[in-house]
Amino acid sequence: GQNIDQPTEMTATEGAIVQINCTYQTSGFNGLFWYQQHAGEAPTFLSYNVLDGLEEKGRFSSFLSRSKGYSYLLLKELQMKDSASYLCAAMDSNYQLIWGAGTKLIIKP
Amino acid sequence: GAVVSQHPSWVICKSGTSVKIECRSLDFQATTMFWYRQFPKQSLMLMATSNEGSKATYEQGVEKDKFLINHASLTLSTLTVTSAHPEDSSFYICSARGAWDTGELFFGEGSRLTVL
Repeated sequence: GQNIDQPTEMTATEGAIVQINCTYQTSGFNGLFWYQQHAGEAPTFLSYNVLDGLEEKGRFSSFLSRSKGYSYLLLKELQMKDSASYLCAAMDSNYQLIWGAGTKLIIKP
Repeated sequence: GAVVSQHPSWVICKSGTSVKIECRSLDFQATTMFWYRQFPKQSLMLMATSNEGSKATYEQGVEKDKFLINHASLTLSTLTVTSAHPEDSSFYICSARGAWDTGELFFGEGSRLTVL
């Protein structure tokens, strides 16, 4: 079956760095997405990886290893506004997104 | 970036009534739209996929007669929750994918439905 695993909750300190891991198993693969979702709001797009390696975008970076079925989202210089849920989603061979349950990130001062 | 607008943001209705939620792509043509439901502290659950001009494809366990989806144009899809019950109370979110098909989804703001 198809499956996405990511930690349920993580806590980090303002100004620090945090890495949110995601492993996936899908029927075929057409890319890995990370979305940010604040409570009560719709998800917003953060990143898309389809090739192996690290994609850097400001304070956020996303990494993909297709051979390991593994991705991570790296957040640097954490700010209080980064407190949110981070959703990992893999696109299968039918271009359907398989969603993880999300990782709730709590930032402490 | 591309904008998707969802309306209404909040709706409260009585049990047994029907509620319609609209999802519009404002500055692009959405060949495919997706409808999700999200319960508190849970991830998105895909309900159905709709392509303009054709019938929606529903996920297993989603009642197509209860959740009516119409994708009549390239910029508008509607979800109608018929004969709503309290257990239908949830956050409903639509997303759209443009014709350029990079895979990125653009999400509406979401609609919170409360059925009394």
